[in-house]
Amino acid sequence: DTGVSQDPRHKITKRGQNVTFRCDPISEHNRLYWYRQTLGQGPEFLTYFQNEAQLEKSRLLSDRFSAERPKGSFSTLEIQRTEQGDSAMYLCASSGYEGAMGELFFGEGSRLTVL
Amino acid sequence: AQSVAQPEDQVNVAEGNPLTVKCTYSVSGNPYLFWYVQYPNRGLQFLLKYITGDNLVKGSYGFEAEFNKSQTSFHLKKPSALVSDSALYFCAVRDIFHGGATNKLIFGTGTLLAVQP
Repeated sequence: DTGVSQDPRHKITKRGQNVTFRCDPISEHNRLYWYRQTLGQGPEFLTYFQNEAQLEKSRLLSDRFSAERPKGSFSTLEIQRTEQGDSAMYLCASSGYEGAMGELFFGEGSRLTVL
Repeated sequence: AQSVAQPEDQVNVAEGNPLTVKCTYSVSGNPYLFWYVQYPNRGLQFLLKYITGDNLVKGSYGFEAEFNKSQTSFHLKKPSALVSDSALYFCAVRDIFHGGATNKLIFGTGTLLAVQP
């Protein structure tokens, strides 16, 4: 499968623990996005990378959240000191240049449950 | 701020009948509008987009959408629904900051389409 892959698919953690999600985009895509989706809502933008540079960041991304894309390929999203409100599906998407016009390729998501 | 609204949480339609999923938008400047679909246990998939040009946009799986500037709408349509079209549909608009388009999409809350056989 050459689509966007995310790992782990499910994560259950206790409040206060740190969690890290990984995203492997489509190999030729230089743009990578993280979104968060809660039940009954549409995806909410978190952050955007072009190659290794983090160019846009939502105000939703508090200082407990950090994202990296060190070599311009895979990306990680870390949440420190998790809270119950962090429970959500974390979606990764990638695109090539044409994706500047909005055609994103999404992974299946990483579901986080904070107890 | 840019936004989209999907006024219906759920749309029910019989197989073979035409379907419409509604979306209205609020933007400053020219809108970049999109439809995505989310099947159960699958990632979001791009259906179609409107950037400029013809108001009727054709997309994947036989879907099309009509851009209506006067009504600020971008409704998704299909002439004949299939049971396999049953899924969650999201309208989205590209955000604008200081007059320039960003790389952020703003999604609606989604409409669940249920096609009965």
